[in-house]
Amino acid sequence: KAGVTQTPRYLIKTRGQQVTLSCSPISGHRSVSWYQQTPGQGLQFLFEYFSETQRNKGNFPGRFSGRQFSNSRSEMNVSTLELGDSALYLCASSLQGRETQYFGPGTRLLVL
Amino acid sequence: AQSVTQLGSHVSVSEGALVLLRCNYSSSVPPYLFWYVQYPNQGLQLLLKYTSAATLVKGINGFEAEFKKSETSFHLTKPSAHMSDAAEYFCAVSDQDSSYKLIFGSGTRLLVRP
Repeated sequence: KAGVTQTPRYLIKTRGQQVTLSCSPISGHRSVSWYQQTPGQGLQFLFEYFSETQRNKGNFPGRFSGRQFSNSRSEMNVSTLELGDSALYLCASSLQGRETQYFGPGTRLLVL
Repeated sequence: AQSVTQLGSHVSVSEGALVLLRCNYSSSVPPYLFWYVQYPNQGLQLLLKYTSAATLVKGINGFEAEFKKSETSFHLTKPSAHMSDAAEYFCAVSDQDSSYKLIFGSGTRLLVRP
């Protein structure tokens, strides 16, 4: 069974731009979570989607948003990028949310 | 709120030596506990998980962890370190009741000396 895939793997943007990251979960998994990893703050939860609905949200500004499609694929969007948004963005999927989360390889975003 | 503390941002061991990575959680209710490993430029790979079954949990690559409620600990061990174990290790906790999110510790980088 294929694992969690994320595209693109690397991205360079400038301040003020917006970016969209994509995540395809493991087949059959309906829950998708997003995490931000930075050297200073570590791994922080962004949000979780299940059946196209956001069920849980972390403590991030409204510039960070996401959505989930009927095939469980998910996207996250960051608008008005700031230098501090440079990070590794990890997506994880699980069957329904409370089970083990399986992570993708991440998208490394650099904001210049 | 749940929190996870990993003692030691860096741990260095010789190849063949015991690996011990420490994790303490804060929770009045035994949570689900996980250990993940991250190799450079990769995502997180699950090593093992505790979900209120056996207190000694065996994972992949020879790792195991013991859940100790009295100490609120979930330390990760491996009897004999291998060079390929060099990576960053994260302990994580999730709430049993309501949360679908993982709360991570700050990570421990394991260095293995030849």
